[in-house]
Amino acid sequence: EILMTQSPATLSVSPGERATLSCRASQSLSSNLAWYQQKPGQAPRLLIYGASTRTTGIPARFSGSGSGTEFTLTISSLQSEDSAVYYCHQYSHWPPSMYTFGQGTKVEIK
Amino acid sequence: EVQLVESGGGLVQPGGSLRLSCAASGFTFSNYPMNWVRQAPGKGLEWVSAISAISGSGESTYYADSVKGRFTISRDNSKNTLYLQMNSLRAEDTAVYYCAKEGSTWYYDYWGQGTLVTVSS
Repeated sequence: EILMTQSPATLSVSPGERATLSCRASQSLSSNLAWYQQKPGQAPRLLIYGASTRTTGIPARFSGSGSGTEFTLTISSLQSEDSAVYYCHQYSHWPPSMYTFGQGTKVEIK
Repeated sequence: EVQLVESGGGLVQPGGSLRLSCAASGFTFSNYPMNWVRQAPGKGLEWVSAISAISGSGESTYYADSVKGRFTISRDNSKNTLYLQMNSLRAEDTAVYYCAKEGSTWYYDYWGQGTLVTVSS
């Protein structure tokens, strides 16, 4: 099983500041990594796939980078509505039973 | 607009059964693999099961080890509906169950709102 480790567990950032979230994989994923945002009481929402491609409708302040085993989600200028839990998700190694999520990073507004 | 609407959750006793449904609209349902992902209260996301799109060789199904032999995923492309039959339910199956559509590769580009399954006596 590929282990996905996200850090930090909780991130407290002031509005307008940059938030940097990390996701590390126990094996190389190439670029087969996605990021999701989940607000309380809501379903997860896809932000980024292919490690760095923003999906339709996601603001440009969200960006993804990395490949191999180290990945980063950056929120360039944090807005109040960005308060949520963010999950990384690897889909690199077939079959689907091998796909795994990180444990999540909670982003709080300071 | 893509929509996924789950139903069928509820309270069930340990050892009982439930069937979840996910009604899909806004895309060609038969062309896309579909998944179930669950989230226990206060916990993270856990992939449960996947079913491939229809192909010449039929459909393929996949399960997490934690549900293999107890859960069965299926789809009815004529009704644009995904199912999850859950048998021999355990307390640890208590979770919100989401259906999720796959994108161009194996990430999930759309999610339903979820349905809560509670296994308790």
